[in-house]
Amino acid sequence: EPEVTQTPSHQVTQMGQEVILRCVPISNHLYFYWYRQILGQKVEFLVSFYNNEISEKSEIFDDQFSVERPDGSNFTLKIRSTKLEDSAMYFCASSEAGHGYGYTFGSGTRLTVV
Amino acid sequence: QQQVKQSPQSLIVQKGGISIINCAYENTAFDYFPWYQQFPGKGPALLIAIRPDVSEKKEGRFTISFNKSAKQFSLHIMDSQPGDSATYFCAGNSGNTPLVFGKGTRLSVIA
Repeated sequence: EPEVTQTPSHQVTQMGQEVILRCVPISNHLYFYWYRQILGQKVEFLVSFYNNEISEKSEIFDDQFSVERPDGSNFTLKIRSTKLEDSAMYFCASSEAGHGYGYTFGSGTRLTVV
Repeated sequence: QQQVKQSPQSLIVQKGGISIINCAYENTAFDYFPWYQQFPGKGPALLIAIRPDVSEKKEGRFTISFNKSAKQFSLHIMDSQPGDSATYFCAGNSGNTPLVFGKGTRLSVIA
């Protein structure tokens, strides 16, 4: 079964450092998402991406965050200057048909900011 | 308008029993209501989903009941098994909005 692949599985970084989280969505999917889940809490929407541009973003997705699809397969989330409160699980998801349909999630990257 | 409210926060069910998790949504534009299952250290996995043109959908031991007028839907797990122990999230979206999740229900099925 096709799956969304995320790397690394765990990243530890110092406060103020930049991190890049990587995702390989399912190959025939056209819509890409980043969500985050602070430990024990709900899964929160960050950003959606379609046709090489951001289609929607939440209030969490401020100027410290950026997304990119640098080639035909990877989808990345960059956090420029990490804060302690950025510590969370970050999930990438992709969808064949976009909003109004199901998403397939990756296993996540656990980001720990120290 | 975007919230999806989920209850209970946690649930303990005996093996073989029925697990019931409830959700209520606010956005009347939502037209897709999935349930996701999440095991520790894993991402949410789509379990079952329903659209508002039907009141019930069943897949194996999992059933979604949908009440459009009340803006509520629920997940029923029949013959609950220890392997069903996980966190369950309800969610909703529409053609114009990304998936919005409830806060999750931690289900423990005990033998």
